Amino acid sequence: SAVISQKPSRDICQRGTSLTIQCQVDSQVTMMFWYRQQPGQSLTLIATANQGSEATYESGFVIDKFPISRPNLTFSTLTVSNMSPEDSSIYLCSVDGSSPETQYFGPGTRLLVL
Amino acid sequence: AQSVTQPDIHITVSEGASLELRCNYSYGATPYLFWYVQSPGQGLQLLLKYFSGDTLVQGIKGFEAEFKRSQSSFNLRKPSVHWSDAAEYFCAVGDSGGYQKVTFGTGTKLQVIP
Repeated sequence: SAVISQKPSRDICQRGTSLTIQCQVDSQVTMMFWYRQQPGQSLTLIATANQGSEATYESGFVIDKFPISRPNLTFSTLTVSNMSPEDSSIYLCSVDGSSPETQYFGPGTRLLVL
Repeated sequence: AQSVTQPDIHITVSEGASLELRCNYSYGATPYLFWYVQSPGQGLQLLLKYFSGDTLVQGIKGFEAEFKRSQSSFNLRKPSVHWSDAAEYFCAVGDSGGYQKVTFGTGTKLQVIP
């Protein structure tokens, strides 16, 4: 399985600001995914990021709010823009593994917006 | 659309007792099924997965799960629970159509008492 790291691991931000979360993988992967886990909730897929193409966003998520970059096969960023307290969540990135449909997750970024 | 139901939000078991966590899915074809565990403050770790073949699958940490097509279920079991198993467990269904979309259940929080 891939080893995935995320930066920052946690942050406290003021409303109206933006935060960029980095996801680094120790091997080349085709697909990377960004999830949100709101307090006490399950994971919700924000978008799928393939290298060299625009990210594909799920219903309810838009690029202006959650711009994503995927400059190469081992790295991606998710920006949470113009934050509000409702954006307080854990943000997780995941990658596709060697088996079909198997995803491996990073440790998450815990975001608190005041 | 695919969906997952975990009917038990919270379960408490005594250390050494057996465990069964329930999971029901909805998917048009043969699904890809997963169980993940999330320990406090951690990311998600894959416990086991089912794609095809033997309907009883073995995972890490002594867990197993059984796919029952007639019941649309994929329940997770462990014969003897350890205090370190206290965590939140997520069942997930993947899209066998190749899109790689994984849908997560709402999770079951496991408490282990001495």
